[in-house]
Amino acid sequence: QSALTQPASVSGSPGQSITISCTGTSSDVGGYNYVSWYQQHPGEAPKLMIYDVSNRPSGVSTRFSGSKSGNTASLTISGLQAEDEADYYCSSYTSSSPWVFGGGTKLTVL
Amino acid sequence: EVQLVESGGVVVQPGGSLRLSCAASGFTFDDYTMHWLRQAPGKGLEWVSLISWDGTSTYYADSVKGRFTISRDNSKNSLYLQMNSLRTEDTALYYCAKARVERIAVAGAAYWGQGTLLTVSS
Repeated sequence: QSALTQPASVSGSPGQSITISCTGTSSDVGGYNYVSWYQQHPGEAPKLMIYDVSNRPSGVSTRFSGSKSGNTASLTISGLQAEDEADYYCSSYTSSSPWVFGGGTKLTVL
Repeated sequence: EVQLVESGGVVVQPGGSLRLSCAASGFTFDDYTMHWLRQAPGKGLEWVSLISWDGTSTYYADSVKGRFTISRDNSKNSLYLQMNSLRTEDTALYYCAKARVERIAVAGAAYWGQGTLLTVSS
């Protein structure tokens, strides 16, 4: 069960857009449309931001969007705000065990 | 409002055993798959185990297979994780989480509790 690959950190200025990648294999990200993204602020529980590659749960800002191409999924945050500064994790359904996570990406809003 | 409250985290010696609990409220517990996930101090998230809404299907991460057992009591709206042969690398904040959709055995985690801390140390 290898973890999905995410960049350790990304940064952007308020108002800009950033994209976080999540790379897996054909056995997970590439094989199923079951990629989720979670946001975690320090000391808090993770919050679901995107499910099934590109769907937003009720209450999540439209500034958050998800996509997938081949074995790589992406989370894009547009109109970056200070409150978006957090850790972001991708997760995918896999053929070997139901779920695997990425290593996480720390987003810094400059 | 969905509420998940984990309990049972303590300090335990390597090789020891412990059972974590998760009390659920605010939703129809026996309609949803439930997960255990964990986060070692300063590290990322790791999926640990899930159990289907009716308890008939269970899955485990390779790192805990054969040592951990997930179970649920739908009459008590409670989820459990029995952990045996504990190792120092099991030290983590353990979260229980509710699946996003009803009655899909491997549905992903959507709503998480605040976690309970397990420390494995001599």
